[in-house]
Formats: sequence, structure tokens, C-alpha cells
Amino acid sequence: RKEVEQDPGPFNVPEGATVAFNCTYSNSASQSFFWYRQDCRKEPKLLMSVYSSGNEDGRFTAQLNRASQYISLLIRDSKLSDSATYLCVVNMGYNQGGKLIFGQGTELSVKP
Amino acid sequence: SQTIHQWPATLVQPVGSPLSLECTVEGTSNPNLYWYRQAAGRGLQLLFYSVGIGQISSEVPQNLSASRPQDRQFILSSKKLLLSDSGFYLCAWSDSLNTEAFFGQGTRLTVV
Repeated sequence: RKEVEQDPGPFNVPEGATVAFNCTYSNSASQSFFWYRQDCRKEPKLLMSVYSSGNEDGRFTAQLNRASQYISLLIRDSKLSDSATYLCVVNMGYNQGGKLIFGQGTELSVKP
Repeated sequence: SQTIHQWPATLVQPVGSPLSLECTVEGTSNPNLYWYRQAAGRGLQLLFYSVGIGQISSEVPQNLSASRPQDRQFILSSKKLLLSDSGFYLCAWSDSLNTEAFFGQGTRLTVV
């Protein structure tokens, strides 16, 4: 079983749509959680951290459920510029040297 | 502010040749440093991470090695490249063991 698993893509949505990405992780000792965005042939960039209480940044909302070992990302009112690959990331914490484990990524394509 | 430099941006090397990729971080001390590889159309695979000078943890057996000769310098090497070493190599840093990481712009390596 992969340590971090994401929805397989690609997601093809029209502008203005709401899209949700899901992610599960296998190690209950995982300490912190993030969503990254990666544009084609570029380095990944931090989109947002994910907290148990849920957090929102404009059109983006992230949720963490530690009991279910589940992370989600919701994008409202999709824009063309949201087209990218979204990566779910888990930090394994101090005992594992702060290793960051990435999911395979989910590709999003927003169409006019 | 902190910055990370990684070079070269692209590299074409013949099979059997050596490799040296360098990464340096500015604006912080004692960062955690990481090397990832991303094969075409695939997710990020953690190759090495380091929590301090001379401390290297290897994640997967492979044809590569890493070294950290200075606090903010991380080097990825190979004595003899294989075709399967082709990919997008990304260096990253974080400032603690429980936070997000920030990536360099990556080196696209093609072994021919």
C-alpha cells in the first residue's frame, strides 16, 4: 500500500465549477499535512497547510480527518489558472527526520 | 528571506558518465535538506534527506549518493549514470522537522 494515495486524474471541469480532491495516508504517526501545486515542468509550490480544524484560503478549503487518515482539498469557482497537478503531502515528523512523502498527484484541467 | 539555488537547470549526460548536482540554501541555518526525483508523468520519490552536516539518510537503493559538506550545501552524485537515472531532480529545504518544504527550480537530467 502506498504511504500517500490520491484520487486518480485527470479532472476536467468547466470554469466556475467546484472540484474536490481526496487523499489518504497510511501512517497514523504522520505529523503534518499539506497541499502543493505543481505546474507542468516546474517545481512543486506550497498551496496550503492542512489542519484538523479545517482551513480556508480564498477559494480553497482544506480539511484533515486524523481518525480516518483522510485529507481533502476543495476548490470553488474554478479558474483557468487553477489548471495544474495537486499534490497531497505528509510530513512524517521528528522520528523520521521530517521526511515529506508525496502522493502521486491529481491533474486538474479547467476549461473555458 | 530564504532562497534555494539548484543548478544546472538542464543536463544531458551519456550513460556511464559521472553526475554532480548542487543545491545551496541562503538565509537560514541548519536546514533540513532533501533530494527528490520525479520520473516523467510520475510522482515525487524521496531519494535522500539530511538533518545536519554529514548526516545523510537514503530512502531507496540506487545508483546515486548524496553528501552535505557544509550546513547549507547538498550534493547529489553518481559515479556512472544509467538510462534509468533520467528524470527531474528537485532539491528542497525545511526549517524544522514538522513543517512544509520549499523547492529549488529543479534539474532536468536526460541520460543518453
